Amino acid sequence: GAGVSQSPRYKVAKRGQDVALRCDPISGHVSLFWYQQALGQGPEFLTYFQNEAQLDKSGLPSDRFFAERPEGSVSTLKIQRTQQEDSAVYLCASSYNEGPKFFGPGTRLTVL
Amino acid sequence: GNSVTQMEGPVTLSEEAFLTINCTYTATGYPSLFWYVQYPGEGLQLLLKATKADDKGSNKGFEATYRKETTSFHLEKGSVQVSDSAVYFCALPGYGGYNKLIFGAGTRLAVHP
Repeated sequence: GAGVSQSPRYKVAKRGQDVALRCDPISGHVSLFWYQQALGQGPEFLTYFQNEAQLDKSGLPSDRFFAERPEGSVSTLKIQRTQQEDSAVYLCASSYNEGPKFFGPGTRLTVL
Repeated sequence: GNSVTQMEGPVTLSEEAFLTINCTYTATGYPSLFWYVQYPGEGLQLLLKATKADDKGSNKGFEATYRKETTSFHLEKGSVQVSDSAVYFCALPGYGGYNKLIFGAGTRLAVHP
């Protein structure tokens, strides 16, 4: 694929359910980022990987949020015991070795 | 900490009109500044950047000049097209550098034929 892909594109969860959001970065991209975008707002930083190493997770809002990139390629953002305030678009971005240059289309999470 | 404020939208223009989207920032020092664009149904992508004061970033007919005197990085285009309809985000690095960008709320541009 030519760009960053994310799945699912839309996810509806009941409050308290666990969800897993997947990001496939552009092939060969070392850096991978997760951002959260609330309705009508700009994206907010969640976490950042360089290869498989999670170098910064300071933006994760609580310990219910967990991200991994075990083989330095695909990444998964997991949210445990979802709450209504978790409803947002979750964006993944990648780049060769710089900041977030190419973003995926996002996963829109709605928690009922 | 660093922050960015951009003008609220939507901005509605006719084709070939002149575009300005305002962005002002608050920062320690002189960080790099960025504009991202999000076309309908697509992810954000970097449109242009400027790395130091008085630099001009440009791409696809868009320009923005890093002005430290007014702490601004306004986005301009001389003649917009329908295909420029998108949401535009101004951004700057937070604590942690370029890997941890702080984005404005976005400005939606709608261009009509």
